[in-house]
Amino acid sequence: IAGITQAPTSQILAAGRRMTLRCTQDMRHNAMYWYRQDLGLGLRLIHYSNTAGTTGKGEVPDGYSVSRANTDDFPLTLASAVPSQTSVYFCASSDSSGSPDTQYFGPGTRLTVL
Amino acid sequence: EDQVTQSPEALRLQEGESSSLNCSYTVSGLRGLFWYRQDPGKGPEFLFTLYSAGEEKEKERLKATLTKKESFLHITAPKPEDSATYLCAVQAGASGGTSYGKLTFGQGTILTVHP
Repeated sequence: IAGITQAPTSQILAAGRRMTLRCTQDMRHNAMYWYRQDLGLGLRLIHYSNTAGTTGKGEVPDGYSVSRANTDDFPLTLASAVPSQTSVYFCASSDSSGSPDTQYFGPGTRLTVL
Repeated sequence: EDQVTQSPEALRLQEGESSSLNCSYTVSGLRGLFWYRQDPGKGPEFLFTLYSAGEEKEKERLKATLTKKESFLHITAPKPEDSATYLCAVQAGASGGTSYGKLTFGQGTILTVHP
């Protein structure tokens, strides 16, 4: 069981380009999340999905979009990357039927926008 | 607004020197408090969930405790392999019909254990 996989591991991207970060989980968790981690700012929620077919905005959603076509996959898209989106991105998942629900994190994608 | 403050920002210990990390929080109805460990270049690794004041959880050299305003992560006789950043996060109860499991994280404590 791999848990959560993210791809790519790292990426350097020119400003203005479109980029999709991939996230797949094999735990059959209903809820999935995208966070970004920046020095001095900690982990901040970008978007979340409580179940396949639904998504919601987190704390810092501007410039990002997500989709949840099935239970396992939760891609994050940067439509037109800007340097302020340079960060480390983590995908997480949880079985939100429990209370509280523990989130499990992937290994992360390090993104640099030049 | 939910807030989490961790202290100290960094802690250096000698191997075997026990200490504690602090996590102070304000949240509108605590659903759970979480401790994670994060190694450089890796994702956060789940350690503990605490549900209510007075609860304690243990794992090897780590023990987490919870009061109504703060949580402590006690490290007993640490080893160099305990060196990592320790993150605390809170999850609020449902409000206004929105019950997604948003976590609010602290900045973390960077722990270094010297041999």
